[in-house]
Amino acid sequence: KQEVTQIPAALSVPEGENLVLNCSFTDSAIYNLQWFRQDPGKGLTSLLLIQSSQREQTSGRLNASLDKSSGRSTLYIAASQPGDSATYLCAVRTSYDKVIFGPGTSLSVIP
Amino acid sequence: DAGVIQSPRHEVTEMGQEVTLRCKPISGHNSLFWYRQTMMRGLELLIYFNNNVPIDDSGMPEDRFSAKMPNASFSTLKIQPSEPRDSAVYFCASSGGTRSTYNEQFFGPGTRLTVL
Repeated sequence: KQEVTQIPAALSVPEGENLVLNCSFTDSAIYNLQWFRQDPGKGLTSLLLIQSSQREQTSGRLNASLDKSSGRSTLYIAASQPGDSATYLCAVRTSYDKVIFGPGTSLSVIP
Repeated sequence: DAGVIQSPRHEVTEMGQEVTLRCKPISGHNSLFWYRQTMMRGLELLIYFNNNVPIDDSGMPEDRFSAKMPNASFSTLKIQPSEPRDSAVYFCASSGGTRSTYNEQFFGPGTRLTVL
């Protein structure tokens, strides 16, 4: 059974710092992995989608990597800003078409 | 495009009442997902449609829950009868756009359901 975990559960950093969020999954038979952000009381906003054949994806200050063999993905945020404060979730789509979300990392960027 | 549209945004009802949540996916998307989010269990996939056909409903908690997709632009999630433990935020998502983003899921704003 696929399980997805995210470490840390919460993170507080000063503005301008680079940071890394981690996502781990137990079954490497995945179809893709997607990173989202969720603002309080809001829906989920898609950040990056990595197909199983890809190693990384970049969008602006965000870079997501995928290592299927070790069951890990990281989301790198460069030069963090207060507007980056949100909960970040990763979701794994398995090869048998389940979608499993991690519990999320709550990020706070202090001005 | 307006994105995924959900209605109502908030619903308060009494135990035993029927609740119907609605979703309009992004035009051209052929996959639709219903999720439930609670503090205790996080985000859970309830059911997934592809080309209007339910592919996997193993996440539907029990027979009180049912979902339909009569056409490519509309889906409903119904709870009958509702119970207090059904209180949660229900999200609809769709995917199936251009080739490069074919499996990228886009979420609606959610429906916050409170069952008293």
